[in-house]
Order: sequence, then C-alpha cells, then structure tokens
Amino acid sequence: KQEVTQIPAALSVPEGENLVLNCSFTDSAIYNLQWFRQDPGKGLTSLLLIQSSQREQTSGRLNASLDKSSGRSTLYIAASQPGDSATYLCAVSFGNEKLTFGTGTRLTIIP
Amino acid sequence: GAVVSQHPSRVICKSGTSVKIECRSLDFQATTMFWYRQFPKQSLMLMATSNEGSKATYEQGVEKDKFLINHASLTLSTLTVTSAHPEDSSFYICSAIRDRSPYNSPLHFGNGTRLTVT
Repeated sequence: KQEVTQIPAALSVPEGENLVLNCSFTDSAIYNLQWFRQDPGKGLTSLLLIQSSQREQTSGRLNASLDKSSGRSTLYIAASQPGDSATYLCAVSFGNEKLTFGTGTRLTIIP
Repeated sequence: GAVVSQHPSRVICKSGTSVKIECRSLDFQATTMFWYRQFPKQSLMLMATSNEGSKATYEQGVEKDKFLINHASLTLSTLTVTSAHPEDSSFYICSAIRDRSPYNSPLHFGNGTRLTVT
C-alpha cells in the first residue's frame, strides 16, 4: 500500500529559527512530490513541486529536498516567522495524476 | 494566476436535503478536477476525479449516487451531496490541474466548503 507519513504531527519553534519538516513515503517509484500549506479552515496553497528527476527545489525561504531511494523528503524553512504558522502537507504522485497526502505537520512559530 | 474558486465556503443544511458545491477555475481551463474530503485533524482523502465531458471516476468506498459530480465545462465542476446526513458533515475541497501534463503540474486548490448537516 502506498502511504505518506509526516512526523511530527505538531511542532513549535521560536521565531527566527530554521526548521525542517519531514515526509516519508513507502514506494520509491514516484512521479512527483508536492509540499502544501493549509491555514485553518482554508484550502491548500502549493509551495513547492519536485519532479522525480530532481533533488531539490527552492522558493524564497523554503527549500524542499527529495531522496527517492530512502523514500524521504524534507521542507526546510529558514528564518521562521509567525506568519509561517500553518499545517504543512506533503503529497506524492505515485505514477498517476492522483495525489496521496500525508497527515500533515501543524507548525507554530512562537513570537 | 491559477485561481480556483469554491462556493459556498460554508453551508448548513438539514438532514435529507441536497447540497451543491461549485468549483471554478477562474483564469485557466481545467480538463481534470479532483474532489477531496477532509475530517478534523486528518489529511485529505480523494473522493473522485472529475473529467470534463465524461463521467467522474470515484475512489473505492465513495458512493457515486450520493456524491454526484458534474464537470460540464472546462472551468466548472460541481459536487452534489444528495440526501445529506450528519455523517456527511466534513470539509470538502476541490482542486484543478492547470494544463494537460498532470504529472508535471502543481495542483491548485479551492478554499474548501465546510458542510454541516443538522
């Protein structure tokens, strides 16, 4: 069964610190992996998309890495800000257009 | 660009009634849209894949007669929850793929609809 796991479920970090969110998946035969942000009661905002042939993608203070062989991806957030507080979801395309989502990590940045 | 609008954002209905949720791609054509359901503190579960001009493909365990999906145009898909019951209360989110290369394109999501059935 193809699964996506995110640990921890919740994380609190003081403002200004760098942090890493983790995502693991069970099948290395993936097409792509996406990181999303979800604010409470809202839809999802796409942050970064990594193709299976890529190792990382960067956007501003965000950097996502992909290691297919180990079934892992990380989302690195530099110089965290209170506005970064949200739930971060990892989603994997296992060879078709459907996405399998992780359960997310609820991030709180403490001012 | 790549805005997906979902309406309504919140709806309360009585048990036994039907509710229609609209998902529109505002500035692009979406041949494929997806409908997800999200329970509190859980992740998104794909309900069905909606393709313009054809029948939707439902995931295992999703009742197609209860969750009617219509994708009549390249910019609009609707989800109708028929004969709603309290257990249908959930957060429903749609998403759309911007171009014809789904494997290489990010998904764009609507803001979701909070359905409460009393």
